[in-house]
Amino acid sequence: AQTVTQSQPEMSVQEAETVTLSCTYDTSESDYYLFWYKQPPSRQMILVIRQEAYKQQNATENRFSVNFQKAAKSFSLKISDSQLGDAAMYFCAYSGGGADGLTFGKGTHLIIQP
Amino acid sequence: EADIYQTPRYLVIGTGKKITLECSQTMGHDKMYWYQQDPGMELHLIHYSYGVNSTEKGDLSSESTVSRIRTEHFPLTLESARPSHTSQYLCASAPQGWAYEQYFGPGTRLTVT
Repeated sequence: AQTVTQSQPEMSVQEAETVTLSCTYDTSESDYYLFWYKQPPSRQMILVIRQEAYKQQNATENRFSVNFQKAAKSFSLKISDSQLGDAAMYFCAYSGGGADGLTFGKGTHLIIQP
Repeated sequence: EADIYQTPRYLVIGTGKKITLECSQTMGHDKMYWYQQDPGMELHLIHYSYGVNSTEKGDLSSESTVSRIRTEHFPLTLESARPSHTSQYLCASAPQGWAYEQYFGPGTRLTVT
């Protein structure tokens, strides 16, 4: 079974600074997808960014980018120019070809200091 | 935000009551999911569906049941609520194929007293 590990229960960053959230995963599959989801307080979970395992190029979405290291099974999220609206729980998630549903990490609570 | 809805948003109910949590989506997605989110925020898949008349159990054992009679509707039922069922329940949907992201509803926060 696949597992996803987020080793940082909480991170704090000053507004306008850059922060990196860590995620590692374990799988025996060669083809899969990885996601970062954001869950603001009392609001819906929304997708931040996704990465296809077969692509070597790291995905980017505006201020959000990932560092995908397939051999190391690492998938970190970098948030540049942090904004107050970035404060939320961030979940790393895995989707494999043979299974259904997403396997989530335990989440990282991101605090933005004004 | 995605067009996926959950009702009620909050529910406080006594032990032994039967409850149904509603989930509807207007995106025509075939696949739908129910996740349980514990107080530590960890999410676990409890049920999913590939389409009408399809239901499967997820990774986490759950005493709840689901049905999928219409594409847009995926309700979750607890026949006899217990305090251990207190949790947040998130519904999600996705198009066919495993490469697509899932779209989440706002969640139902259930408290069983």
